[in-house]
Amino acid sequence: GAVVSQHPSRVICKSGTSVKIECRSLDFQATTMFWYRQFPKQSLMLMATSNEGSKATYEQGVEKDKFLINHASLTLSTLTVTSAHPEDSSFYICSVAVAGIKETQYFGPGTRLLVL
Amino acid sequence: AQKITQTQPGMFVQEKEAVTLDCTYDTSDPSYGLFWYKQPSSGEMIFLIYQGSYDQQNATEGRYSLNFQKARKSANLVISASQLGDSAMYFCAMREGFGGYNKLIFGAGTRLAVHP
Repeated sequence: GAVVSQHPSRVICKSGTSVKIECRSLDFQATTMFWYRQFPKQSLMLMATSNEGSKATYEQGVEKDKFLINHASLTLSTLTVTSAHPEDSSFYICSVAVAGIKETQYFGPGTRLLVL
Repeated sequence: AQKITQTQPGMFVQEKEAVTLDCTYDTSDPSYGLFWYKQPSSGEMIFLIYQGSYDQQNATEGRYSLNFQKARKSANLVISASQLGDSAMYFCAMREGFGGYNKLIFGAGTRLAVHP
Protein backbone atom coordinates (compact mmCIF):
# COMPACT_ATOMS: atom_id res chain seq x y z
CA GLY A 1 0.00 0.00 0.00
CA ALA A 2 0.86 3.67 -0.12
CA VAL A 3 3.46 4.88 2.32
CA VAL A 4 2.85 8.07 4.25
CA SER A 5 5.31 9.48 6.74
CA GLN A 6 4.88 12.04 9.49
CA HIS A 7 7.47 14.02 11.37
CA PRO A 8 7.92 14.32 14.25
CA SER A 9 6.33 11.24 15.75
CA ARG A 10 6.21 12.82 19.17
CA VAL A 11 6.69 16.38 20.38
CA ILE A 12 6.55 18.08 23.75
CA CYS A 13 6.42 21.86 23.82
CA LYS A 14 5.72 24.71 26.17
CA SER A 15 2.45 26.56 26.13
CA GLY A 16 2.52 29.49 23.72
CA THR A 17 4.96 28.00 21.25
CA SER A 18 4.21 26.87 17.71
CA VAL A 19 4.66 23.34 16.46
CA LYS A 20 4.98 22.20 12.84
CA ILE A 21 4.02 18.70 11.77
CA GLU A 22 4.98 17.36 8.35
CA CYS A 23 3.08 14.80 6.32
CA ARG A 24 4.81 13.28 3.31
CA SER A 25 3.48 11.01 0.61
CA LEU A 26 6.43 8.78 -0.27
CA ASP A 27 5.04 6.67 -3.10
CA PHE A 28 3.15 9.05 -5.29
CA GLN A 29 1.96 12.57 -5.83
CA ALA A 30 -0.99 13.59 -3.71
CA THR A 31 -3.11 16.56 -4.62
CA THR A 32 -5.27 16.04 -1.56
CA MET A 33 -4.28 15.25 2.00
CA PHE A 34 -6.40 15.21 5.14
CA TRP A 35 -5.56 16.20 8.71
CA TYR A 36 -7.31 14.49 11.62
CA ARG A 37 -7.15 14.93 15.36
CA GLN A 38 -7.78 12.18 17.87
CA PHE A 39 -8.17 12.81 21.59
CA PRO A 40 -7.58 9.89 24.01
CA LYS A 41 -10.22 7.19 23.81
CA GLN A 42 -12.05 9.04 21.06
CA SER A 43 -12.47 8.67 17.34
CA LEU A 44 -10.73 10.55 14.55
CA MET A 45 -12.16 13.94 13.76
CA LEU A 46 -11.38 15.58 10.45
CA MET A 47 -9.81 19.00 10.91
CA ALA A 48 -9.20 20.07 7.34
CA THR A 49 -8.68 18.99 3.77
CA SER A 50 -5.37 20.09 2.35
CA ASN A 51 -5.25 20.84 -1.36
CA GLU A 52 -1.99 21.32 -3.22
CA GLY A 53 -1.58 24.86 -4.42
CA SER A 54 -4.71 26.24 -2.80
CA LYS A 55 -6.14 27.10 0.58
CA ALA A 56 -7.15 24.31 2.90
CA THR A 57 -10.80 23.61 3.63
CA TYR A 58 -11.46 23.58 7.35
CA GLU A 59 -14.21 21.71 9.15
CA GLN A 60 -16.71 23.60 11.24
CA GLY A 61 -15.28 24.59 14.60
CA VAL A 62 -11.64 24.34 13.56
CA GLU A 63 -9.80 27.65 13.76
CA LYS A 64 -7.89 28.20 10.54
CA ASP A 65 -5.67 30.86 12.10
CA LYS A 66 -4.62 28.48 14.85
CA PHE A 67 -4.10 25.40 12.70
CA LEU A 68 -2.19 26.59 9.66
CA ILE A 69 -2.00 24.18 6.77
CA ASN A 70 0.40 24.50 3.86
CA HIS A 71 0.34 22.07 0.96
CA ALA A 72 3.13 23.53 -1.09
CA SER A 73 4.06 20.45 -3.11
CA LEU A 74 2.47 17.25 -4.33
CA THR A 75 4.24 15.23 -1.67
CA LEU A 76 4.23 17.46 1.40
CA SER A 77 1.61 19.04 3.61
CA THR A 78 2.38 20.74 6.89
CA LEU A 79 0.18 21.50 9.88
CA THR A 80 1.34 24.24 12.23
CA VAL A 81 -0.30 24.53 15.62
CA THR A 82 0.23 28.16 16.53
CA SER A 83 0.42 29.36 20.12
CA ALA A 84 -0.23 25.87 21.39
CA HIS A 85 -2.06 25.36 24.66
CA PRO A 86 -2.51 22.25 26.82
CA GLU A 87 -5.95 21.63 25.31
CA ASP A 88 -4.25 21.21 21.93
CA SER A 89 -2.50 18.12 23.25
CA SER A 90 -3.69 15.32 21.01
CA PHE A 91 -2.78 12.77 18.38
CA TYR A 92 -2.57 14.39 14.95
CA ILE A 93 -2.70 12.10 11.94
CA CYS A 94 -2.67 12.82 8.24
CA SER A 95 -3.93 10.78 5.34
CA VAL A 96 -3.46 10.77 1.61
CA ALA A 97 -6.25 10.24 -0.90
CA VAL A 98 -5.61 7.43 -3.34
CA ALA A 99 -7.59 7.37 -6.57
CA GLY A 100 -8.33 3.93 -7.83
CA ILE A 101 -10.56 0.96 -7.40
CA LYS A 102 -10.86 1.08 -3.66
CA GLU A 103 -10.36 4.80 -3.34
CA THR A 104 -9.18 4.52 0.20
CA GLN A 105 -7.11 6.86 2.27
CA TYR A 106 -3.74 5.80 3.59
CA PHE A 107 -2.73 7.19 6.92
CA GLY A 108 0.53 8.38 8.31
CA PRO A 109 1.81 7.00 11.64
CA GLY A 110 0.59 10.07 13.54
CA THR A 111 2.17 12.69 15.77
CA ARG A 112 1.59 12.84 19.52
CA LEU A 113 1.63 16.42 20.73
CA LEU A 114 1.92 17.26 24.41
CA VAL A 115 1.70 20.90 25.40
CA LEU A 116 2.89 21.66 28.90
CA ALA B 1 -27.20 13.53 12.98
CA GLN B 2 -24.63 10.84 13.57
CA LYS B 3 -23.77 9.19 10.31
CA ILE B 4 -21.71 6.26 11.52
CA THR B 5 -22.70 4.30 14.60
CA GLN B 6 -20.67 1.65 16.36
CA THR B 7 -22.67 0.48 19.35
CA GLN B 8 -20.07 -1.83 20.88
CA PRO B 9 -17.47 0.07 22.91
CA GLY B 10 -15.66 -3.17 23.65
CA MET B 11 -15.72 -6.78 22.51
CA PHE B 12 -14.02 -9.93 23.75
CA VAL B 13 -13.28 -13.02 21.69
CA GLN B 14 -11.42 -16.25 22.26
CA GLU B 15 -8.41 -16.90 20.07
CA LYS B 16 -9.30 -18.80 16.87
CA GLU B 17 -12.97 -17.86 17.16
CA ALA B 18 -14.82 -15.53 14.83
CA VAL B 19 -16.10 -12.12 15.91
CA THR B 20 -18.48 -9.58 14.39
CA LEU B 21 -18.08 -5.86 14.93
CA ASP B 22 -21.21 -3.85 14.24
CA CYS B 23 -21.52 -0.70 12.16
CA THR B 24 -24.58 1.14 10.92
CA TYR B 25 -24.60 4.23 8.77
CA ASP B 26 -26.93 6.89 7.53
CA THR B 27 -26.75 8.73 4.22
CA SER B 28 -29.05 9.98 1.52
CA ASP B 29 -26.33 9.78 -1.12
CA PRO B 30 -26.80 6.65 -3.27
CA SER B 31 -23.08 6.57 -3.96
CA TYR B 32 -20.90 5.94 -0.97
CA GLY B 33 -18.07 3.82 0.32
CA LEU B 34 -17.67 2.02 3.61
CA PHE B 35 -14.34 1.27 5.23
CA TRP B 36 -12.92 -0.52 8.21
CA TYR B 37 -9.64 0.49 9.82
CA LYS B 38 -7.64 -1.12 12.60
CA GLN B 39 -5.77 1.04 15.08
CA PRO B 40 -3.30 -0.79 17.36
CA SER B 41 -1.86 0.87 20.44
CA SER B 42 0.87 2.46 18.32
CA GLY B 43 -1.79 4.71 16.82
CA GLU B 44 -1.34 3.97 13.14
CA MET B 45 -4.49 3.49 11.09
CA ILE B 46 -4.40 0.28 9.08
CA PHE B 47 -6.83 -0.09 6.19
CA LEU B 48 -8.64 -3.43 6.32
CA ILE B 49 -11.50 -3.58 3.87
CA TYR B 50 -13.70 -1.50 1.57
CA GLN B 51 -17.27 -1.87 0.29
CA GLY B 52 -18.81 0.33 -2.37
CA SER B 53 -22.54 1.02 -2.27
CA TYR B 54 -23.06 -0.54 -5.69
CA ASP B 55 -20.98 -3.61 -5.05
CA GLN B 56 -23.12 -6.71 -5.43
CA GLN B 57 -20.97 -9.00 -3.36
CA ASN B 58 -19.71 -8.62 0.17
CA ALA B 59 -16.07 -7.60 0.32
CA THR B 60 -13.50 -10.05 1.63
CA GLU B 61 -9.82 -9.58 2.41
CA GLY B 62 -8.18 -12.63 3.91
CA ARG B 63 -9.64 -13.19 7.39
CA TYR B 64 -11.75 -10.04 7.10
CA SER B 65 -15.16 -9.91 5.49
CA LEU B 66 -17.76 -7.20 5.41
CA ASN B 67 -21.38 -8.18 5.91
CA PHE B 68 -23.05 -5.48 3.83
CA GLN B 69 -26.81 -5.20 4.29
CA LYS B 70 -27.81 -2.19 2.26
CA ALA B 71 -31.48 -2.09 3.21
CA ARG B 72 -30.56 -2.13 6.89
CA LYS B 73 -27.70 0.30 6.31
CA SER B 74 -25.29 -1.92 8.13
CA ALA B 75 -21.71 -2.86 7.33
CA ASN B 76 -20.51 -5.27 9.96
CA LEU B 77 -16.93 -6.50 10.01
CA VAL B 78 -16.38 -10.20 10.52
CA ILE B 79 -12.96 -11.38 11.63
CA SER B 80 -12.51 -15.13 11.32
CA ALA B 81 -10.01 -17.22 13.28
CA SER B 82 -9.08 -14.40 15.65
CA GLN B 83 -5.45 -13.97 16.57
CA LEU B 84 -3.86 -12.28 19.57
CA GLY B 85 -2.52 -9.61 17.21
CA ASP B 86 -6.07 -8.65 16.30
CA SER B 87 -6.45 -6.91 19.67
CA ALA B 88 -6.89 -3.24 18.76
CA MET B 89 -9.40 -0.48 18.15
CA TYR B 90 -11.52 -0.91 15.05
CA PHE B 91 -13.14 2.00 13.27
CA CYS B 92 -15.89 1.95 10.70
CA ALA B 93 -15.89 4.88 8.29
CA MET B 94 -17.99 6.18 5.45
CA ARG B 95 -17.29 8.40 2.49
CA GLU B 96 -20.24 9.99 0.71
CA GLY B 97 -19.79 10.03 -3.03
CA PHE B 98 -17.07 8.28 -4.94
CA GLY B 99 -13.60 9.60 -5.32
CA GLY B 100 -10.79 9.42 -2.81
CA TYR B 101 -10.83 13.16 -2.43
CA ASN B 102 -14.00 13.13 -0.35
CA LYS B 103 -13.64 13.09 3.41
CA LEU B 104 -14.11 10.09 5.66
CA ILE B 105 -16.48 10.15 8.62
CA PHE B 106 -15.55 7.79 11.43
CA GLY B 107 -17.57 5.92 14.00
CA ALA B 108 -16.68 5.95 17.69
CA GLY B 109 -14.78 2.70 17.42
CA THR B 110 -14.85 -0.72 19.06
CA ARG B 111 -12.02 -2.03 21.18
CA LEU B 112 -11.44 -5.73 20.50
CA ALA B 113 -9.61 -7.92 22.97
CA VAL B 114 -8.56 -11.39 21.87
CA HIS B 115 -8.01 -13.81 24.73
CA PRO B 116 -5.75 -16.88 24.50
